[in-house]
Amino acid sequence: NSKVIQTPRYLVKGQGQKAKMRCIPEKGHPVVFWYQQNKNNEFKFLINFQNQEVLQQIDMTEKRFSAECPSNSPCSLEIQSSEAGDSALYLCASSLSTGYTEVFFGKGTRLTVV
Amino acid sequence: GEQVEQRPPHLSVREGDSAVITCTYTDPNSYYFFWYKQEPGASLQLLMKVFSSTEINEGQGFTVLLNKKDKRLSLNLTAAHPGDSAAYFCAVRANTGKLTFGHGTILRVHP
Repeated sequence: NSKVIQTPRYLVKGQGQKAKMRCIPEKGHPVVFWYQQNKNNEFKFLINFQNQEVLQQIDMTEKRFSAECPSNSPCSLEIQSSEAGDSALYLCASSLSTGYTEVFFGKGTRLTVV
Repeated sequence: GEQVEQRPPHLSVREGDSAVITCTYTDPNSYYFFWYKQEPGASLQLLMKVFSSTEINEGQGFTVLLNKKDKRLSLNLTAAHPGDSAAYFCAVRANTGKLTFGHGTILRVHP
């Protein structure tokens, strides 16, 4: 069973508001991912970290989205100014490495932008 | 970048029948492959993993086939039961370790 902890489970924000969600990766996992799953079940990779360093991120993340994984603190994903199209399930995942290791997902934060 | 095509998008079978879901991918450098199950309102449950072209039977009613030459991955539920009803996703790992997902298969198993 996955031990990736995501909070909150549900988040409701108005358009233009900030939305912040957190993730505690599985203990000992230095690699963390954020994905967005929309209502059509499409997964969009947002960003991944190894320890505190960004490995890869997409353009969307570079603009309205910000993310960090500080040492000894939960990782976080924040949307600076929420838009209706941001409504989705945000999934955090962690892994022992970028190699031949399993990737485990948390239960997600369901964001609704009204 | 990597593209993963998953078929079929919807699958309805009777209890006890087999169900086969297939993914094809494009990046020849992809090296690790996963199947996830997602029940309504829940997160992704890691179902199976594979990295070599081999047949694997995890002993839970699933068989996975990976053909790296054809860049094809399949999941075979050998005797489906209603509890298998869920969304299934293949995922392919490459480069910085990120996963690229298929668009999912909604499986319904009816009595």
